[in-house]
Amino acid sequence: DTAVSQTPKYLVTQMGNDKSIKCEQNLGHDTMYWYKQDSKKFLKIMFSYNNKELIINETVPNRFSPKSPDKAHLNLHINSLELGDSAVYFCASRTGGGTEAFFGQGTRLTVV
Amino acid sequence: GENVEQHPSTLSVQEGDSAVIKCTYSDSASNYFPWYKQELGKRPQLIIDIRSNVGEKKDQRIAVTLNKTAKHFSLHITETQPEDSAVYFCAASSVPASKLTFGTGTRLQVTL
Repeated sequence: DTAVSQTPKYLVTQMGNDKSIKCEQNLGHDTMYWYKQDSKKFLKIMFSYNNKELIINETVPNRFSPKSPDKAHLNLHINSLELGDSAVYFCASRTGGGTEAFFGQGTRLTVV
Repeated sequence: GENVEQHPSTLSVQEGDSAVIKCTYSDSASNYFPWYKQELGKRPQLIIDIRSNVGEKKDQRIAVTLNKTAKHFSLHITETQPEDSAVYFCAASSVPASKLTFGTGTRLQVTL
């Protein structure tokens, strides 16, 4: 009965490759997020979707493209991976602005 | 946009002592303030939250206080235990806007 699930959990890839991370939530939430957590543990918002519509794009390079096929899924595709993209990426979801956000288990991306 | 500052970045206390973590926010429209705990290698999880119509909230050994005038909110942990060791994040959000902005995190170490 996993609430927010991400795949894969680990991703090791070479510079220049393209990769995707998938996220699914079974909580019926309207809002989903992608956060990047770097080595210093900062949790930086990247994107937010509400009912499949992009509402927040935090000056993320164009190489990052989110896609929400329906309100239960939010995927992240990254083109031309760079060393600086190495981080843990968390997906999260919640009902609205004043409610708890539930996080996925994270995807540790390592670019070599 | 919202900016959340968090202090201290690291905090070491002896078991049984109290720990206090402080945050300030910039957007006066923010009215929801959650605190998350992230254990090593795990996802962030909500431990307590407070809304702007409340000045203080307590849940067993954890309490949060909010000063809307000063735009400050704080997490208080009493009778700390080794299992309280983790990274703690404050966050701010406004209703109905969905952006959830996190502070920079505090690494709490509880020593025996």
